[in-house]
Amino acid sequence: EADIYQTPRYLVIGTGKKITLECSQTMGHDKMYWYQQDPGMELHLIHYSYGVNSTEKGDLSSESTVSRIRTEHFPLTLESARPSHTSQYLCASSVVGKTEAFFGQGTRLTVV
Amino acid sequence: AQRVTQPEKLLSVFKGAPVELKCNYSYSGSPELFWYVQYSRQRLQLLLRHISRESIKGFTADLNKGETSFHLKKPFAQEEDSAMYYCALAGGTYKYIFGTGTRLKVLA
Repeated sequence: EADIYQTPRYLVIGTGKKITLECSQTMGHDKMYWYQQDPGMELHLIHYSYGVNSTEKGDLSSESTVSRIRTEHFPLTLESARPSHTSQYLCASSVVGKTEAFFGQGTRLTVV
Repeated sequence: AQRVTQPEKLLSVFKGAPVELKCNYSYSGSPELFWYVQYSRQRLQLLLRHISRESIKGFTADLNKGETSFHLKKPFAQEEDSAMYYCALAGGTYKYIFGTGTRLKVLA
């Protein structure tokens, strides 16, 4: 079934650890996005990609990095997690030329 | 500055009452406006967009360029409408700008 998947759904990790949040979509979409959302706040775009080997930083500065080696895969990495990285991370994808975005279930990250 | 403002964090209405979720935007060009909804324990999903001019689940939204608003309305609220609603704007590069969201609670 065509969908967009995020793993893990929940992650509690210690300060200084390296983590990778996974995002995969089986919809054949070229564009993919990462949003960060703190409780009660708006979604902020932190990374986006228009296709393989294309990545751009979003409007909100983030210490995370992303890669797009395959169309369907858009992982986000934090080299050294800090408590300030505690947040919900939402992955989304869309088709070039269309503006509707499809969202994953999100990863709730807690850094202790 | 590009911005989407949803002034109400929480809106409580009784079942059968009219609902209006407010959204105002600031954008220099001609944006596309959307409403996304997130039901409890479900993912964020598109509810409707201004270019479609359609009614989804009884909800409608009209883009008012003069007032830079895109309010979401429903004449008779139902309990299953209880959810988090986000107004969003897509600009020329199709990057979304989201509002802070309004939690709608429909009381029995």
